[in-house]
Amino acid sequence: DTEVTQTPKHLVMGMTNKKSLKCEQHMGHRAMYWYKQKAKKPPELMFVYSYEKLSINESVPSRFSPECPNSSLLNLHLHALQPEDSALYLCASSQADRNNEQFFGPGTRLTVL
Amino acid sequence: QQQVKQSPQSLIVQKGGISIINCAYENTAFDYFPWYQQFPGKGPALLIAIRPDVSEKKEGRFTISFNKSAKQFSLHIMDSQPGDSATYFCAASRPGGFKTIFGAGTRLFVKA
Repeated sequence: DTEVTQTPKHLVMGMTNKKSLKCEQHMGHRAMYWYKQKAKKPPELMFVYSYEKLSINESVPSRFSPECPNSSLLNLHLHALQPEDSALYLCASSQADRNNEQFFGPGTRLTVL
Repeated sequence: QQQVKQSPQSLIVQKGGISIINCAYENTAFDYFPWYQQFPGKGPALLIAIRPDVSEKKEGRFTISFNKSAKQFSLHIMDSQPGDSATYFCAASRPGGFKTIFGAGTRLFVKA
């Protein structure tokens, strides 16, 4: 299985809502990533987990809270988002020792009203 | 130092033609140079990648040319097809690093 799955595909939320994005991979990868992508822009790294521990936080606002419950799952908890947070949120995974080769999921299209 | 500059921003090619996208970098510590293909509403997919110990890598209709001294690399798509119409991102990363530096992207449109 060479697939990274993400749920939901689309999410619309108000600024006071709390929601979560989910990502799953079964490739045995021990590094997992969250990216944010705005229209016509490249992906922008948010967080990296390596062996279930947070390795990189690219100064992301605290209204985004990542969680890695196990080596196959990655969550992104959302709270009190702003309209400018509307974007495509991408999950990716890689082998921890060959962390250059990243496999991306299809993304969650988030709209904040 | 951390940037990867990509050109052109957009490209229109006739079916059967050659599409060429160029990238340049500054950080000589980069040792992995992938190209990603992204269709609208989808995540990026790794297309082909090269390391600096080789000057060219070919996979089917896709070829990466790498010039280490000039710190440039390019993607050539031979016999371009309408199904190749997508956004292409070049990228670079350092050994042992989790960060991938992406170029700004090139929107390719192949006319039938």
